[in-house]
Amino acid sequence: EAQVTQNPRYLITVTGKKLTVTCSQNMNHEYMSWYRQDPGLGLRQIYYSMNVEVTDKGDVPEGYKVSRKEKRNFPLILESPSPNQTSLYFCASSPSGRGVTDEQFFGPGTRLTVL
Amino acid sequence: SQKIEQNSEALNIQEGKTATLTCNYTNYSPAYLQWYRQDPGRGPVFLLLIRENEKEKRKERLKVTFDTTLKQSLFHITASQPADSATYLCALVPISGNTGKLIFGQGTTLQVKP
Repeated sequence: EAQVTQNPRYLITVTGKKLTVTCSQNMNHEYMSWYRQDPGLGLRQIYYSMNVEVTDKGDVPEGYKVSRKEKRNFPLILESPSPNQTSLYFCASSPSGRGVTDEQFFGPGTRLTVL
Repeated sequence: SQKIEQNSEALNIQEGKTATLTCNYTNYSPAYLQWYRQDPGRGPVFLLLIRENEKEKRKERLKVTFDTTLKQSLFHITASQPADSATYLCALVPISGNTGKLIFGQGTTLQVKP
């Protein structure tokens, strides 16, 4: 089944403890992106990647890192999580190497709580 | 400042009627505009994409219009059904030279009553 998967789906952690949220797609898509969703603020883009080894900042990149070493994987790294990073995180992918000029497929989400 | 605005109030309509949702933007010249559906606790699902040089796009019961003069997109669901109840998000690609960025509106919740 064509899909975007994220792990873990739920995570409760403490301030300062490094964590990684994995994202993988099996559709051979060029473009991948991370978003966070918060009540009253909507979906905001964190980072995106147009292709392997190419990443760029979205609107809210502070406190996050990403890497794109392989086409299928796009992990989101929080080196030192803080409570303001408590949020619902979505990974997404799109076929086009020209970004979101095509349909975007979203993963199921990761609910992160930082205490 | 740059803004995307969708009606924050829920839209309640009767089954069978046409639902019309609005997306207004300020200080953007978007190359593309997209519409998504989101159900509670789930990821958004892509519905339609419209380009800056297109006025209208249709897919089954869905229709999107894009008016770059009014800086507005309208999203229509004809013959609405209770299963259409969800939150609908508009999103725009703000700059034609950088199509990696995507900016979302906050969404409008649609409730279709039987």
